[in-house]
Amino acid sequence: EIMMTQSPATLSVSPGERVTLSCRASQTVANSLAWYQQKPGQAPRVLIYGASTRATGIPARFSGSGSGTEFTLTISSLQSEDFAVYYCQQYNNWPSLTFGGGTKVEIK
Amino acid sequence: QLQLQESGPGLVKPSETLSVTCTVSGDSISTPDYYWGWIRQTPGKGPEWIGSIYFSGRAHYNPSLKSRLIISIDRSKNQFSLRLTSVTAADSALYYCARQSEVEIDYWGQGTLVTVSS
Repeated sequence: EIMMTQSPATLSVSPGERVTLSCRASQTVANSLAWYQQKPGQAPRVLIYGASTRATGIPARFSGSGSGTEFTLTISSLQSEDFAVYYCQQYNNWPSLTFGGGTKVEIK
Repeated sequence: QLQLQESGPGLVKPSETLSVTCTVSGDSISTPDYYWGWIRQTPGKGPEWIGSIYFSGRAHYNPSLKSRLIISIDRSKNQFSLRLTSVTAADSALYYCARQSEVEIDYWGQGTLVTVSS
């Protein structure tokens, strides 16, 4: 089973700052990597798939990069509505999936 | 607009069987473009994929749950279901149903909370 590790667990950030979240796979997943945002009381929402393709309706301030085992989600200028938990998820052996443990982005 | 709605027991006793059903509205579950999946989540942890099923009935399971798990589909009712046997407290979670394309989970239900307790 492919394990996904996210860092850091928590990130304290001020609005307007640039944010970089990391995700590492225990073995290569090529570019079969998605990022999700989850707010309290809501289901996760997809932001990025294919490691770098924004999902429908996702603002351009969200961008993804990486391939193989190392991936990054960048938020160029954090808005108030972006404070949430972010999960990476691999689908290299679709429909089997594995999620990371999440990074919580909180207000500094 | 596609909607998914879970229905579950709320409370299940240890060693018994957990059954949850997802009703899909706004589109046919018989579309060949998607898998229909189950995902669970406990507070403060990342989601855990449970398994997924295709309209043909072909199912894929999380290896850690496979021995206790059956996922089925009822195309006439536009529903799919999860059955997990011999539950323990570790199976207490928020259970989501979802639609999976090849690259993303694009629709989720609101989730149903299941607690395993005597």
